[in-house]
Amino acid sequence: KAGVTQTPRYLIKTRGQQVTLSCSPISGHRSVSWYQQTPGQGLQFLFEYFSETQRNKGNFPGRFSGRQFSNSRSEMNVSTLELGDSALYLCASSQTQQSYEQYFGPGTRLTVT
Amino acid sequence: GDSVTQMEGPVTLSEEAFLTINCTYTATGYPSLFWYVQYPGEGLQLLLKATKADDKGSNKGFEATYRKETTSFHLEKGSVQVSDSAVYFCALSDQQAGTALIFGKGTTLSVSS
Repeated sequence: KAGVTQTPRYLIKTRGQQVTLSCSPISGHRSVSWYQQTPGQGLQFLFEYFSETQRNKGNFPGRFSGRQFSNSRSEMNVSTLELGDSALYLCASSQTQQSYEQYFGPGTRLTVT
Repeated sequence: GDSVTQMEGPVTLSEEAFLTINCTYTATGYPSLFWYVQYPGEGLQLLLKATKADDKGSNKGFEATYRKETTSFHLEKGSVQVSDSAVYFCALSDQQAGTALIFGKGTTLSVSS
């Protein structure tokens, strides 16, 4: 069974631009969560989607948004990029909304200049 | 709110040494506990888990026991290998907080031959 895939793997953007990252979960997994990893703040939860509905949201500004499609694929969008948004963005999938066991993708490395 | 505290690194060991990485947690409910490992340039891999008090999670020679009385979930391995060099994250998921994983800061392990 294929794992979680994320595209693109690397991205360089300029301050003020917006960016969209994509995540395809493991086949059969319906829950997708997003995390931001930075050296200073560590791993922080962004949001979770299940059946196209946002179920849970972390403490991030409204510039960070996401969505989930009917095939469970998910995208996250960051608008008006700031230097501090430079991070590794990780996507994780789990089978059900009651499943706490999450499987992570390799991440998208975003650099904002 | 819920939180995870793990020992600061880096931890430097010789091959075949005994490993302990301490992890304690604070949670309002009855969390599930996890250890994830991140190899250089990769995403997170689930190493082991425990879902209730006194459960022992184990995988690839690593073990951790869910201790409710001490709110701890320390990671141990009897004999480390060079290939175990990575960053280790302790995490919890509390049903009252949704399925979001809350991570510790991570402990870097470096094993030399």
